[in-house]
Amino acid sequence: EIVLTQSPGTLSLSPGERATLSCRASQSVSSSYLAWYQQKPGQAPRLLIYGASSRATGIPDRFSGSGSGTDFTLTISRLEPEDFAVYYCQQFGSSPWTFGQGTKVEIK
Amino acid sequence: QVQLVQSGAEVKKPGASVKVSCKVSGNTLTELSMHWVRQAPGKGLEWMGGYDPEDGEIIYAQKFQGRVTMTEDSSTDTAYMELSSLRSEDTAVYYCATLRSAIFYYFDYWGQGTLVTVSS
Repeated sequence: EIVLTQSPGTLSLSPGERATLSCRASQSVSSSYLAWYQQKPGQAPRLLIYGASSRATGIPDRFSGSGSGTDFTLTISRLEPEDFAVYYCQQFGSSPWTFGQGTKVEIK
Repeated sequence: QVQLVQSGAEVKKPGASVKVSCKVSGNTLTELSMHWVRQAPGKGLEWMGGYDPEDGEIIYAQKFQGRVTMTEDSSTDTAYMELSSLRSEDTAVYYCATLRSAIFYYFDYWGQGTLVTVSS
């Protein structure tokens, strides 16, 4: 099973600041099979990034994804109030398809 | 625009079974690959299984093999997930989600979630 480790667990930042979230895989994952989601309390996850770096429809360009192999990054260039949420990475490279444990981005 | 509407919350006793539904609108179920993901209270997301378009079969995470059954009714565009031999650790919100799989794989549309509580 591929384990995805996200860091940090919690990121305390102010609106306007840059957020950098890490997702490290225990084995190499094809970039085509790496996605990022945002989840707010009481809501279903929302797709942000697929293919490690492609933004989903309607996702603002302040969200960007990068990385390959075992190291992937989600960057939010300037945090807006609505961006404070939990973020998950997910891999589809090997069954079971696993998620990271999440990074909470909270208001400082 | 695909919409997934799930059935309501359930309370079950340990050892019982639960069946959650997910109705599709905006497309037909036969055009989609439906999967199920759960989330225990305050915890992360866990993939359970779903339709694999490459093999044309439903695949299950090994953790749930033998306890979960995923079915589809194309006449009503409704997908179902049945989990048996429930235990307290199965208390979670269960989501259906559609898989996009071509060059890239990802879950693009999600249901609103169904809370299943297992308690004696």
